[in-house]
Amino acid sequence: GAVVSQHPSWVICKSGTSVKIECRSLDFQATTMFWYRQFPKQSLMLMATSNEGSKATYEQGVEKDKFLINHASLTLSTLTVTSAHPEDSSFYICSASGPDSDSNYGYTFGSGTRLTVV
Amino acid sequence: GENVEQHPSTLSVQEGDSAVIKCTYSDSASNYFPWYKQELGKRPQLIIDIRSNVGEKKDQRIAVTLNKTAKHFSLHITETQPEDSAVYFCAASIGPGTYKYIFGTGTRLKVLA
Repeated sequence: GAVVSQHPSWVICKSGTSVKIECRSLDFQATTMFWYRQFPKQSLMLMATSNEGSKATYEQGVEKDKFLINHASLTLSTLTVTSAHPEDSSFYICSASGPDSDSNYGYTFGSGTRLTVV
Repeated sequence: GENVEQHPSTLSVQEGDSAVIKCTYSDSASNYFPWYKQELGKRPQLIIDIRSNVGEKKDQRIAVTLNKTAKHFSLHITETQPEDSAVYFCAASIGPGTYKYIFGTGTRLKVLA
C-alpha cells in the first residue's frame, strides 16, 4: 500500500529560527501533497496544497511567506516554518495522493511532526 | 465557506454496544466522504469511505451511510471493542474530482470494558 514518510517526527527549536519538515511518498508518485496543522484535541486544518513543479496554493489565513512549501519532485514536498514563534508550536502532518485506480480520492497521511518553539 | 459539522464531540459506549457518529456537510458538490481514525499521537488512518453515488457501504463492523439530499453522512460501529477507542474524523471533498478535504471537528470515542 501507499506509504508516506515524514521527518522529523518531533523537533524543538528556538524562537526566530527556521525548521524544515520533509514529506516523502515511498512507493508511489505523489502528484499532490497537502499540509495540515493540528492543535491538541482539535481537527486537522488544511494549510496548503502542493502540486509537483508548481507553486503551492495556500488556504485563507495561512501566511505563504512564513510557511514555505516546495514540491520539487513527485516524491518529496517540504514545509519550512520560517522565523518560528511559540504560537507556531503544533502538530504538522502531510498527506499525499497519486494515481491510484483503486482509490482515486483517498490519500495517505505521514506520521506527523510535533514542533515546539521555545 | 464550506464546512463539516460533526457530532457528538465525545462518545462513551459499553463494550459490545454500537456507536454512531454523524456529520453534515455544506458543499453540494462534495462527492467523496472518508472517515479517519486517529489514535493518540499517531497519524490518521482511513477506515472507510463512501462516494456520492452510493448510499451505504459496509466493512465488517464498520458501516457508513450517506444521505445526499440532507447532506448527512454517518459512521456506524457495531460490537465495539476497547481498541476502537480513538478520535474519529469525518471529511468531505471540496467540489467534485478533488483530493482536497474539509475535516469535521472529531469525535473522541471511548469504549468501556
